[in-house]
Amino acid sequence: NAGVTQTPKFQVLKTGQSMTLQCAQDMNHEYMSWYRQDPGMGLRLIHYSVGAGITDQGEVPNGYNVSRSTTEDFPLRLLSAAPSQTSVYFCASSYPGQGGHEQFFGPGTRLTVL
Amino acid sequence: GEDVEQSLFLSVREGDSSVINCTYTDSSSTYLYWYKQEPGAGLQLLTYIFSNMDMKQDQRLTVLLNKKDKHLSLRIADTQTGDSAIYFCAESIDMRFGAGTRLTVKP
Repeated sequence: NAGVTQTPKFQVLKTGQSMTLQCAQDMNHEYMSWYRQDPGMGLRLIHYSVGAGITDQGEVPNGYNVSRSTTEDFPLRLLSAAPSQTSVYFCASSYPGQGGHEQFFGPGTRLTVL
Repeated sequence: GEDVEQSLFLSVREGDSSVINCTYTDSSSTYLYWYKQEPGAGLQLLTYIFSNMDMKQDQRLTVLLNKKDKHLSLRIADTQTGDSAIYFCAESIDMRFGAGTRLTVKP
């Protein structure tokens, strides 16, 4: 299994540009989520999905859109990038198990918005 | 919203024990987690504790949970340089993470 994969690993955007961060998992997990990691602030939940066709907002959803057309894929769209969206983005997936919602994380996408 | 708080830095000498502390406010969390993040990588689950337990031991790791004070700690015995990383606590209700404690192990 490849686990959780994210592309690209690095991206530089100009203010106002749009882009999509890709996330895929091959573990047949129902639950997927997107976080951003900023220094001193830990991980903050952007959006999550409990299954194909179902998405919901997390703690910091503004400026981001998601969709979940398949179990495997959960792309994150930045509609009009802003410097405040400079961050490291992590996608995660999970299934309820002995450890509750143990999450498996992708390697991250480092995004810089100029 | 509910908060999960951790101190940001901890430095220990190789061979000493490390204790990383975390406080949380949502008492309805069923599970509490410790994740480890190595440089340039995503987070990996290190261990977890069910909310009806007060201690869990897993090799060099000991997790203590004080539900009354909403305090969680992670003790790493015989800390090694390979343990240098950022450690995050998280609670299961909203999957809310602390800011992470950067552990530095000095030889």
